[in-house]
Amino acid sequence: GAGVSQSPSNKVTEKGKDVELRCDPISGHTALYWYRQSLGQGLEFLIYFQGNSAPDKSGLPSDRFSAERTGGSVSTLTIQRTQQEDSAVYLCASSRDRTSNQPQHFGDGTRLSIL
Amino acid sequence: GESVGLHLPTLSVQEGDNSIINCAYSNSASDYFIWYKQESGKGPQFIIDIRSNMDKRQGQRVTVLLNKTVKHLSLQIAATQPGDSAVYFCAENIGTYKYIFGTGTRLKVLA
Repeated sequence: GAGVSQSPSNKVTEKGKDVELRCDPISGHTALYWYRQSLGQGLEFLIYFQGNSAPDKSGLPSDRFSAERTGGSVSTLTIQRTQQEDSAVYLCASSRDRTSNQPQHFGDGTRLSIL
Repeated sequence: GESVGLHLPTLSVQEGDNSIINCAYSNSASDYFIWYKQESGKGPQFIIDIRSNMDKRQGQRVTVLLNKTVKHLSLQIAATQPGDSAVYFCAENIGTYKYIFGTGTRLKVLA
């Protein structure tokens, strides 16, 4: 079946602009994660959605970052008033449910460059 | 595509040799571990996982070893092939849904 799909694959924008990144998880997966990956760094947790539960937003680095998940499927990550330090690869992952011992399946990410 | 982790530790192995990639994890309470492979411009790809009640698990050409005493995880790749060239990193499960990810090791396969 189809894997996790992210769009756009690349985004270049000017400092101060808003950007919206999209993630389509694997069909039937109730858990969805957003991560940020910078050069030479491990994956940085941003936000977690599970079904209709309130999301865990504890990893969002500032109030310029927000995310939503509509209908328990597609998710969008929005970064307002982008800064150069926001440049990174933003990865989305989904897993079957919220129980532990579930591997996450990743999309290929959105490579965000802030000029 | 652009590589991630340009300053990662690198392991170079000859094609056909075995590779061993190591990972020190941080939380003694972690009970589930995953190895991922990430090729340039791609997202991480699940390779193999292991639960803390096991010491060893084998897949196709890959074996994961877990040493809970020293909080060490290793990934062994048998008969390494050019297609194995990538960044490999481990992940530990620290709760019901949160993971800690290592920074990774770059594997280069020499022809």
